This record gives sequence, C-alpha cells and structure tokens, in this order.
Amino acid sequence: SQQGEEDPQALSIQEGENATMNCSYKTSINNLQWYRQNSGRGLVHLILIRSNEREKHSGRLRVTLDTSKKSSSLLITASRAADTASYFCATDNNNDMRFGAGTRLTVKP
Amino acid sequence: DTEVTQTPKHLVMGMTNKKSLKCEQHMGHRAMYWYKQKAKKPPELMFVYSYEKLSINESVPSRFSPECPNSSLLNLHLHALQPEDSALYLCASSQPSGGDGYNEQFFGPGTRLTVL
Repeated sequence: SQQGEEDPQALSIQEGENATMNCSYKTSINNLQWYRQNSGRGLVHLILIRSNEREKHSGRLRVTLDTSKKSSSLLITASRAADTASYFCATDNNNDMRFGAGTRLTVKP
Repeated sequence: DTEVTQTPKHLVMGMTNKKSLKCEQHMGHRAMYWYKQKAKKPPELMFVYSYEKLSINESVPSRFSPECPNSSLLNLHLHALQPEDSALYLCASSQPSGGDGYNEQFFGPGTRLTVL
C-alpha cells in the first residue's frame, strides 16, 4: 500500500521555469527519498534526506523535509525538457519502503 | 559496476505456466527488493531480502515465490498467475545503513509481464 499523497498529480511547465512537487506521509520515518522514472522504465534515485535534516541540495534539486507536518517538497530549478518524467517520494520506516502516488512532470521546450 | 540487471525484459505467459524472473547486482549490496508496478501507479513493495534472508513479505499471494540464492542474485518464481498480475516487475538493491534505515535503492529496468 502507498504511504501518502503527492501533489500535484500532474504538472506542466515551460523550460526554464521551476517545478515544485509536494509529498505527504502518515507514519514516522527514518528517511525520505525522491526518485525519478521515465516512462515504463526503472527508477533513478535523486536525493535522500534523513529525518533529522531539514533541507538538502543536489545540483538543480532542493528538497525540504518537515517532520512535524509529515511533508516534503522537491524543487527543480531551471527545468529542462529532459526533466520530463514521473517523480516519486519514498519513505523509509524501519526498512519498509513506501512510495507516494507520484507527480507527472512535463517540461515543454 | 553500479547496475542492476533484470531478465527477461518482456515475458508473456499463460495462467498455467511456470516462469522465473531474475535480478542480479554486483555492488555488494546486502538488501534486495521486488516491486510490482501497474501503469500510472507507484511501485508496490512485494518482498525484501536483507542479508539473504526474507525480511518483509507484503502479504503477496503464494503464486509469487521469491528466492535469494546468494547476495548477488534474486529470483521471483511465478506459477498459476492471473491476468491482473500483468505489470512491470522491478528489482532493486541497496545497502542497509543500520538504525536509520536503508540507503538509496538502485533499480533495474524491470520485466514487463503479461499474463494471458
């Protein structure tokens, strides 16, 4: 079963704009991870944020975590057409990984 | 080698067939996972092996039978499947990180399974 919800379910932006995706979860976690999936293929790990961290950066990616609200956000800055994909958050609770419903991002050139 | 390989890429089987999906990694990871993913849905965890022992079984029907022969290999044996079992089956591996959960998972490309 899924851990939580992601919003928006779908997001369409122009190249160069920023994209923000949100993830909410229900239980306590050890860490939260974000993954990307191109259509019908395997997932690629983007970034991991541990429960005692509040913000993390990796290149054009910025992730925040608010454990009091049980929520996380993924910001992709200066988006590119190649960023078009589905993005999933995944929570790790005592080694039990659960994925959110995902956000389908379309970046138009 | 940072790759997880899965074979076959595609599999079509009848409801009376027996088949196996295979997954292999050579990154020294000691946790391996099977996920099932339906179209436009997130991956659903099926099984987790940690140090070659089954640690999580998400109430998966017995027609799916996992096997971890060694630390590099993970199999999923399929028998008497139903058409609703048609999906993308993903394998992943990671290194357990101890008390604060697992590290990042590395995913294979998946096996697209169709049950007729």
